[in-house]
Amino acid sequence: DAKTTQPPSMDCAEGRAANLPCNHSTISGNEYVYWYRQIHSQGPQYIIHGLKNNETNEMASLIITEDRKSSTLILPHATLRDTAVYYCIVRAPQGAQKLVFGQGTRLTINP
Amino acid sequence: GAVVSQHPSWVICKSGTSVKIECRSLDFQATTMFWYRQFPKQSLMLMATSNEGSKATYEQGVEKDKFLINHASLTLSTLTVTSAHPEDSSFYICSARDRASGFHEQYFGPGTRLTVT
Repeated sequence: DAKTTQPPSMDCAEGRAANLPCNHSTISGNEYVYWYRQIHSQGPQYIIHGLKNNETNEMASLIITEDRKSSTLILPHATLRDTAVYYCIVRAPQGAQKLVFGQGTRLTINP
Repeated sequence: GAVVSQHPSWVICKSGTSVKIECRSLDFQATTMFWYRQFPKQSLMLMATSNEGSKATYEQGVEKDKFLINHASLTLSTLTVTSAHPEDSSFYICSARDRASGFHEQYFGPGTRLTVT
């Protein structure tokens, strides 16, 4: 599975949009981009995934560049409860089917 | 979304004893379950993948005789840490894939904090 690169930490003001970048320049054509987050001392929570089209759900939006080498997770109106470590993972449908976590981005929402 | 539970949520044991952690999928059938370990301020590290009714596949560097995994049913997987030592103290998290939802859906349990004294 392709490797991802994320900034180690980011800050965002409450109520503003939080934009979390992820670089996956070696992504293969059949690999999906997944985003999970982990609030302190809890298990990871699924946020969203996509292949090449932009995706939106009740939690967030995922913007994938046309060349698929990077993506951005957008939390439109961040709240204090969104403070967490956010993980960007790429994975192909076939093979071992396991999610391998990198270091992620520690997002802090400030009041 | 689907729910994965773990029991116990935390456990303290003496060095040399064994500890069993249960992972259950409460409202779905999980053909595949995963076990992760997380040390403080670090990311999750995949330990093993288990498929119902077959032997677990361990990641490189994980001792299969020390971390025994059993996936006897579609809703239950157990991780037994045998002869635990202080360096095994960690946050253990299981994850399960919903058989009906297919490849993309994977749900995580709340984790079990193990402290070995």
